[in-house]
Amino acid sequence: GAGVSQSPSNKVTEKGKDVELRCDPISGHTALYWYRQRLGQGLEFLIYFQGNSAPDKSGLPSDRFSAERTGESVSTLTIQRTQQEDSAVYLCASSLQGFYGYTFGSGTRLTVV
Amino acid sequence: GESVGLHLPTLSVQEGDNSIINCAYSNSASDYFIWYKQESGKGPQFIIDIRSNMDKRQGQRVTVLLNKTVKHLSLQIAATQPGDSAVYFCAENLGAGGTSYGKLTFGQGTILTVHP
Repeated sequence: GAGVSQSPSNKVTEKGKDVELRCDPISGHTALYWYRQRLGQGLEFLIYFQGNSAPDKSGLPSDRFSAERTGESVSTLTIQRTQQEDSAVYLCASSLQGFYGYTFGSGTRLTVV
Repeated sequence: GESVGLHLPTLSVQEGDNSIINCAYSNSASDYFIWYKQESGKGPQFIIDIRSNMDKRQGQRVTVLLNKTVKHLSLQIAATQPGDSAVYFCAENLGAGGTSYGKLTFGQGTILTVHP
């Protein structure tokens, strides 16, 4: 597609439930990133995929968070046993290589009630 | 609960004025910087970037200035328009290679409001 697509755009879930957030990067982009943005704050790095290299998971806040990427296409961010502090907008970005041409999706707004 | 939105710096200007948004970055090893604009309900949008071997870079109506001595970055918007109203973020990259490659560190953001 023309841009980075994220789904769902909004998700409301009950505390303790698992959620899956999806990101479809721009076709041909080898790099894919997940960020979290809490209300009124900047973006917090979560995880980075580059081609077939091992992902950089250094930003994942706890073992409840995990992400996968199939080749150089779709990525899924999974949050297990959601907590209220997980409420945020989760943004995905992709690029051809590294930080050049970083393009963000519109994000998934997650609300844990 | 805490209203974290109130902690964001804000800048209010009149349409047609020039705007200057400032950012202090954290790491002297950072070699690449980007300014992003984020409108409500949307993802950040690239505005302009600059490498650490430059002091200034100009785009259409925007200029980025880099002062490595004091680790300070600024974004100047000329003839600000109501459509420029958004949150503006600076981001830094620690340099090519190694585990930091491609990973941007974002500032907190500045809310720019342009009054007609």
